[in-house]
Amino acid sequence: NAGVTQTPKFRVLKTGQSMTLLCAQDMNHEYMYWYRQDPGMGLRLIHYSVGEGTTAKGEVPDGYNVSRLKKQNFLLGLESAAPSQTSVYFCASRRVGGGETQYFGPGTRLLVL
Amino acid sequence: EDKVVQSPLSLVVHEGDTVTLNCSYEVTNFRSLLWYKQEKKAPTFLFMLTSSGIEKKSGRLSSILDKKELFSILNITATQTGDSAVYLCAVENAGTYKYIFGTGTRLKVLA
Repeated sequence: NAGVTQTPKFRVLKTGQSMTLLCAQDMNHEYMYWYRQDPGMGLRLIHYSVGEGTTAKGEVPDGYNVSRLKKQNFLLGLESAAPSQTSVYFCASRRVGGGETQYFGPGTRLLVL
Repeated sequence: EDKVVQSPLSLVVHEGDTVTLNCSYEVTNFRSLLWYKQEKKAPTFLFMLTSSGIEKKSGRLSSILDKKELFSILNITATQTGDSAVYLCAVENAGTYKYIFGTGTRLKVLA
């Protein structure tokens, strides 16, 4: 039982390049989330999903797209990376229902030059 | 707009001291408040609070929620250097299933 995993762990991109971050969970969770964390700041929600095939915008969705084609996977895409997207990205998942906590992946550190 | 504010932003104490971290919130349709500890990696879960006045305890850590005044506190007694971390507070909006995070309190415990 691996929990929540993220791929890759670290990536360097040039401005304008595209990439996809993969989040996978093996806990059969319905809800999945993508956050970014910048120095001195808490976690800010980018996009989230409450079920396979559904996605919704969070606080800071601009410049990102997501897809949830399979229940266990949640993909975060950057179509044209910008230096402002340099950050640490965390994925999280949780079960349906109230009183549930999120389980976090280990994070992906992204540097955009 | 939903908001979570933590104070202080940072704190330096000596081993053995007791600290109190604060989290206030303005969130529509409150469901729960969560505390996490974050060292140089992903946040790890500490407590979930849903009811006012009921203290949650785990070893030297404890937390309580006041839903009338819209805040929570996290207490750490007899601090140790291993308690050095960023402590994050998050509130779940029941209507949207989104979590709103505060900016965190950075705690440094000196030997």
